[in-house]
Amino acid sequence: GENVEQHPSTLSVQEGDSAVIKCTYSDSASNYFPWYKQELGKRPQLIIDIRSNVGEKKDQRIAVTLNKTAKHFSLHITETQPEDSAVYFCAASTMEYGNKLVFGAGTILRVKS
Amino acid sequence: GAGVSQTPSNKVTEKGKYVELRCDPISGHTALYWYRQSLGQGPEFLIYFQGTGAADDSGLPNDRFFAVRPEGSVSTLKIQRTERGDSAVYLCASSSTGSDTEAFFGQGTRLTVV
Repeated sequence: GENVEQHPSTLSVQEGDSAVIKCTYSDSASNYFPWYKQELGKRPQLIIDIRSNVGEKKDQRIAVTLNKTAKHFSLHITETQPEDSAVYFCAASTMEYGNKLVFGAGTILRVKS
Repeated sequence: GAGVSQTPSNKVTEKGKYVELRCDPISGHTALYWYRQSLGQGPEFLIYFQGTGAADDSGLPNDRFFAVRPEGSVSTLKIQRTERGDSAVYLCASSSTGSDTEAFFGQGTRLTVV
């Protein structure tokens, strides 16, 4: 089955700097890659996603890149703000039959002001 | 409702007891998922419903775990003979069709087995 590795496990950046989180996946059939943000005690919320027919997607300060050949994808957050502090999870899915997500272990992002 | 609702938000139970966790998905969503999230880990898939039927239950850890969705809306996750290792946050998610659509998560039920 699918296996998703995520790193780093923790990331501290200064406010205004960029943050990059990387994930690798094992199943070449995976074709949907969402990123979720989870604040302490709250539900995971989708912040951006990418499908395998696209190499890059951007939404304001957030971007995701996908390299299908290497089976890795990355989340980029620019001009970080204190409210970006949270745990970020990447996930992968085949989307072939339902949206069964396999998650990475998460990255704790701390933005220092 | 406006979002996925899960009850109770917290449940403490004694080892060996039976528990039921409820999920009320977004109205009209045909797909419903249960995940389990242990401390410091990402959510782990348990079971997926499309309508009333369990389309994929490959993530259920053993036969103490069972889930139903009799009318294609509310779902109940049932855990028999609870063990301390079952302690985790149980998350429910729903999506409109199950394929090619975003999954929306509930707040979760924090289960503690003492």
